[in-house]
Amino acid sequence: EPEVTQTPSHQVTQMGQEVILRCVPISNHLYFYWYRQILGQKVEFLVSFYNNEISEKSEIFDDQFSVERPDGSNFTLKIRSTKLEDSAMYFCARQQGAVDTQYFGPGTRLTVL
Amino acid sequence: AQSVTQPDIHITVSEGASLELRCNYSYGATPYLFWYVQSPGQGLQLLLKYFSGDTLVQGIKGFEAEFKRSQSSFNLRKPSVHWSDAAEYFCAVGGGSTGTASKLTFGTGTRLQVTL
Repeated sequence: EPEVTQTPSHQVTQMGQEVILRCVPISNHLYFYWYRQILGQKVEFLVSFYNNEISEKSEIFDDQFSVERPDGSNFTLKIRSTKLEDSAMYFCARQQGAVDTQYFGPGTRLTVL
Repeated sequence: AQSVTQPDIHITVSEGASLELRCNYSYGATPYLFWYVQSPGQGLQLLLKYFSGDTLVQGIKGFEAEFKRSQSSFNLRKPSVHWSDAAEYFCAVGGGSTGTASKLTFGTGTRLQVTL
């Protein structure tokens, strides 16, 4: 199973602050995803990214969220102005081909105070 | 719209007993189905997957699942549960086509407790 790493493992921030969550890529993976899981709830899709473009985004992924893969390096999720309800575990997932398994990272626990 | 239903929120079994976790899905095209396991505070580990072919798929840790198209189900089974299997289990459905990233839709999960 391809290793997927995410940094940081835990981020604590004040409401209204910007946070950037990072997912370390594997060069031959083309498809990237962000999901989140609020404590005690199910995993929810946020956004998918293919060929350096957003493929699909959910209703959760509003203007406060953005993703990018600058210079083909880390795949990042930015939250511009965090809210209390953004507190959750955020998972990055990567997929090598169109019909393939999504492998998840260990997650970043975001706590907004 | 795609969806997954896991009707059992919490299941308790004795160590050594058999296990079946239920999963029903709704998907407009040919579904790709997955079971992931999550230990407390941990990420999601893939147990097994179904893309096509044999409807009975084998996974890690002795788990298997059977795809039944007529019932829109993909139930997870294990003949003899170990105490280390205690965790949260998520069923997920997705699709796939070249050039398009395809999201996974997860069920609400089933928490498995194993008694000694």
